[in-house]
Amino acid sequence: AQSVTQLGSHVSVSEGALVLLRCNYSSSVPPYLFWYVQYPNQGLQLLLKYTTGATLVKGINGFEAEFKKSETSFHLTKPSAHMSDAAEYFCAVSSGGFKTIFGAGTRLFVKA
Amino acid sequence: NAGVTQTPKFRILKIGQSMTLQCAQDMNHNYMYWYRQDPGMGLKLIYYSVGAGITDKGEVPNGYNVSRSTTEDFPLRLELAAPSQTSVYFCASGPGTDIYGYTFGSGTRLTVV
Repeated sequence: AQSVTQLGSHVSVSEGALVLLRCNYSSSVPPYLFWYVQYPNQGLQLLLKYTTGATLVKGINGFEAEFKKSETSFHLTKPSAHMSDAAEYFCAVSSGGFKTIFGAGTRLFVKA
Repeated sequence: NAGVTQTPKFRILKIGQSMTLQCAQDMNHNYMYWYRQDPGMGLKLIYYSVGAGITDKGEVPNGYNVSRSTTEDFPLRLELAAPSQTSVYFCASGPGTDIYGYTFGSGTRLTVV
């Protein structure tokens, strides 16, 4: 079975500060890992994904995530937060089949 | 470039009523999914389909039914609505298995009173 734990339901940062959203997963098979972003009243949008190969993955809007197998983590980072980054972020894991498992989400607040 | 289109965006149902949530995609994706999103719970898979005529249950299928007669459309049917079905429903599609990620619709907010 697979599962995803996102640490912190809410994260608040100042504009220009580092963004760090934490995600830990559990999987009995090599995982495929994803980050999605959801802006208010919209559907989820794929931010980035790890399938195989390079463990540091770059996504849209300056976000990146690093797959650390030894720590079973896939944390999302951005060096400098913008007001437009305020949204809810979902980490997800899949075994490559048809049933992606989503975390509970982390809402990011950006203060001016 | 419409992507995944869901209708309606909002709906209020009375207990015991039925309705169909519509989902259509124009990307020729074989794989389609229905999720429900509840506050603090993430997304839960209701049903999925890997092609026209093929559907299967997800994690929370009770109270719902689906059909897939064409590649483009994947409607979700609620029979005998209950307050526990108050949620935001998202349809998603993908070109293959999960490794490709999904394209989501903008959702349907359903309230059952």
